[in-house]
Amino acid sequence: QSALTQPRSVSGSPGQSVTISCTGSSSDIGGYKYVSWYQQYPGKAPKLMIYEVNKRPSGVPDRFSGSKSGDTASLTISGLQAEDEADYYCCSYAGSYTFRYVFGPGTKVTLL
Amino acid sequence: QVQLQESGPGLVKPSETLSLTCTVSSGSISTYYWSWIRQPPEKGLEWIGYIYFNGNTNYNPSLKSQVTISIDTSKSQFSLKLSSVTAADTAVYYCARTGSIPTFFDYWGQGAVVTVSS
Repeated sequence: QSALTQPRSVSGSPGQSVTISCTGSSSDIGGYKYVSWYQQYPGKAPKLMIYEVNKRPSGVPDRFSGSKSGDTASLTISGLQAEDEADYYCCSYAGSYTFRYVFGPGTKVTLL
Repeated sequence: QVQLQESGPGLVKPSETLSLTCTVSSGSISTYYWSWIRQPPEKGLEWIGYIYFNGNTNYNPSLKSQVTISIDTSKSQFSLKLSSVTAADTAVYYCARTGSIPTFFDYWGQGAVVTVSS
């Protein structure tokens, strides 16, 4: 059982926006600005999409954006494209005396 | 661009020790943290632990009694040992760079499939 909660799936039509939520607690998401998001295609390694809540690594399209409010972080994909269909995992730093990093269970993004 | 490659046996017997090595290329192993992360079949990701280039380690408390991570900077490699494995340890094991400030995982290996079975 994950320490973070994500919806099992979200879907949208090409060009639309979708938002994936990731809910934790004050011990992880709420306590730190260290939320990251990973995209994973079947059989492939995860890829970093967002770090430190809302920063994008070089090469990640600006269609991907992150935010946080209280104990919940969110990933928004604007202008949904076919290649965005994948699993997305949130991750949070969880401090020095508990799990150091906790992942969400993953959200499948599907195009309609 | 930093590249990571896992290597090691794909099949381990129950109660034995799982051993994997991650080789880092096209980048320095120094001044960074390096993690092991695993993903059981059809499940999510679990952080196992990390090591700093100077040898300092930090492990997931749920796995701490089983895990040893070591580093050989001269070979640009770091390694995972997971003792007393059971079928529940069957997973894809990834090595990943964890940054100079360990708050995210920016480069990943392709993953090593490890099955625990007699």
